[in-house]
Amino acid sequence: QSVLTQPPSVSAAPGQRVIVSCSGSSSNIGNNYVSWYQQFPGTAPKVLIYENHKRPSGTPDRLSGSKSGTSATLVITGLQTGDEADYYCGTWDSSLSAMVFGGGTKLTVL
Amino acid sequence: QSQLQESGPRLSKPSETLSLTCTVPGDSFTTIGFYWGWIRQPPGRGLEWIGILHDDGRPAYSPSLKSRVTISVDTSRTRLSLKLSSVTAADTATYYCAGFDNFDYAVEKWGQGILVTVSS
Repeated sequence: QSVLTQPPSVSAAPGQRVIVSCSGSSSNIGNNYVSWYQQFPGTAPKVLIYENHKRPSGTPDRLSGSKSGTSATLVITGLQTGDEADYYCGTWDSSLSAMVFGGGTKLTVL
Repeated sequence: QSQLQESGPRLSKPSETLSLTCTVPGDSFTTIGFYWGWIRQPPGRGLEWIGILHDDGRPAYSPSLKSRVTISVDTSRTRLSLKLSSVTAADTATYYCAGFDNFDYAVEKWGQGILVTVSS
């Protein structure tokens, strides 16, 4: 049982938009920055978004992150087959004094 | 290209202590702006944060693992270590060495990961 809640899977057709949600509480998302990670099978995750909405160099601008209250969202527009991967949200939890992750969302491009 | 490199036994026996080491080829764990730590991922499952070392040497551990885990760095700051005691099959996972931004804890650096299996 993860502290942060993500949908197990999302899917959409190429070129469409998909939203991945991440729900938490005031002790984590509500008062700390959220980051998002992409993981392909057999490889290490890679950070896509940090500080809720900032993109590292290398993250295309068709990926965007946002946060509102105790929830965060990753939006991917112009879906490509290469976007098929697992996506995780993460943040610091001030009550646990620990970093917490969502359970992960598997993105399928139909 | 991974910036961090994990090493250690890939097989541990139940009740023993799992020990892993992480190095930064050609560099050391002195990069300003980062905390260093470990994350694991059981086969087919999600990411689990194990713990970090803050830059003042203060550790922070997952509450669920706190009684069994120790993260340390050697005096030359070239080797980051993970020790997990009294392992069981539930500790079978890919273990990642990681660098966390010291402002928002985003994991900006990842090792390639090392799969450790706990089995007799």
